Amino acid sequence: EVELLESGGGLVQPGGSLKLSCAASGFDYSGYAMSWVRQAPGKGLEWVSIVYTGGSRKYYGDSVKGRFFISRDDSRKTLSLQMSGLRVEDTAVYYCAKNRADYAAFDNWGQGVLVTVSS
Amino acid sequence: SYALTQPPSVSVAPGETARLTCGGDNIGSETVHWYQQRPGQAPVLVMYFDSDRPAGIPERFSGSNSGDTATLTISRVEAGDEADYYCQLWHSLTDHWVFGGGTSLTVL
Repeated sequence: EVELLESGGGLVQPGGSLKLSCAASGFDYSGYAMSWVRQAPGKGLEWVSIVYTGGSRKYYGDSVKGRFFISRDDSRKTLSLQMSGLRVEDTAVYYCAKNRADYAAFDNWGQGVLVTVSS
Repeated sequence: SYALTQPPSVSVAPGETARLTCGGDNIGSETVHWYQQRPGQAPVLVMYFDSDRPAGIPERFSGSNSGDTATLTISRVEAGDEADYYCQLWHSLTDHWVFGGGTSLTVL
């Protein structure tokens, strides 16, 4: 059974930094692209970033490009999101998601971790 | 960037058919995926590649995509289908994954 467990959320001041982690199990982690998707309180889903297999190819949503950095450690089966220059509008539940083998959709999701950016 | 438009809410009586739409410019030339999100829970993939159901998703769920509209159809709606539903596609030209704004399905 696929399991994705996020950690690292919390309260941070505007302009601050935070690192999220996602521990994966139950599948061949190195064989799949992995993504972060977020959901602001009471709002819809927003794709944040993806890292392809091997870790060299990465893409970011326009709202986080240049501030967030995604990485993966296949030996530890973990996905990370380093967030800097945080803004109030980055407040959201952040989900770790496994991409399908064709990359197009997200077939497994973690339960999410809350990031609150506030002074 | 590519935009997906969903109606904010749809209401349907139990046993009836719910049709949830997702609009986009020539969306029929793309492949669309759908997620169900119950309150307080993570999203669940309920349809991929327009009309394929993941394992464990009831046959009552079906999908189609043509022209400027993709549709998730839920037949014989049950109370447990009450949730938010999001459409999504991979815009390969920009390597961006795009979500619609979501539709809240209410079972009357």
